[in-house]
Amino acid sequence: QSALTQPASVSGSPGQSITISCTGTSSDVGDYDFVSWYQQHPGKAPKLIIYDVSDRPSGVSHRFSGSKSGNTASLIISGLQAEDEADYYCSSYTRSSTWVFGGGTKVTVL
Amino acid sequence: EVQLVESGGGLVQPGGSLRLSCVGSGLTFRDYAMGWVRQAPGKGLEWVSAINAGGGSTYYADSVRGRFTISRDNSKNTMYLQMYSLRAEDTAVYYCAKRPGSGGDAFDVWGQGTMVTVSS
Repeated sequence: QSALTQPASVSGSPGQSITISCTGTSSDVGDYDFVSWYQQHPGKAPKLIIYDVSDRPSGVSHRFSGSKSGNTASLIISGLQAEDEADYYCSSYTRSSTWVFGGGTKVTVL
Repeated sequence: EVQLVESGGGLVQPGGSLRLSCVGSGLTFRDYAMGWVRQAPGKGLEWVSAINAGGGSTYYADSVRGRFTISRDNSKNTMYLQMYSLRAEDTAVYYCAKRPGSGGDAFDVWGQGTMVTVSS
């Protein structure tokens, strides 16, 4: 149950687009379209922003989008805003009927 | 509005036990699979355990298998995490989370978390 690999930090200026990668294996990300992404502000509970690779829950901004290619999933934040500064985690269902999270990526808005 | 509220956290000595509870409201609790996710201080999220809607199927991370037991009482809209043989590395905020009812997979609603500290 090794964690998925995410960059530790990503930064961008307001209005720019950034991409956060999430690399797993053929036993998790590569095997299922069950990749989800969570946003967590300091001291708060995580919030689901993308599920099933690219679907957005009701109420989540269209500026958040997701994709997947092989064993790597990606979260794209377009039109970066100050409120997007937070930690972001990917997660995947696995072949072992378990779930695995990424190590998290800190997004900084310059 | 769907709400999940955890309780039962606290300070426990190494080797001790603790039982966490998660009460759901605003949903038909028995229709949803649920899970526990923890976050050590300053660290990332770690999936801990999950249980299906009926309670008959349970799943555990290797780090807790054999020490933690997940269960639920749908008549009380409550999920539990019984933790035994606690270690310092179990110190974390424990979140309960709900899974979608049909189609897809994620943890779509989260509680506010309850802190567990394992220390002498």
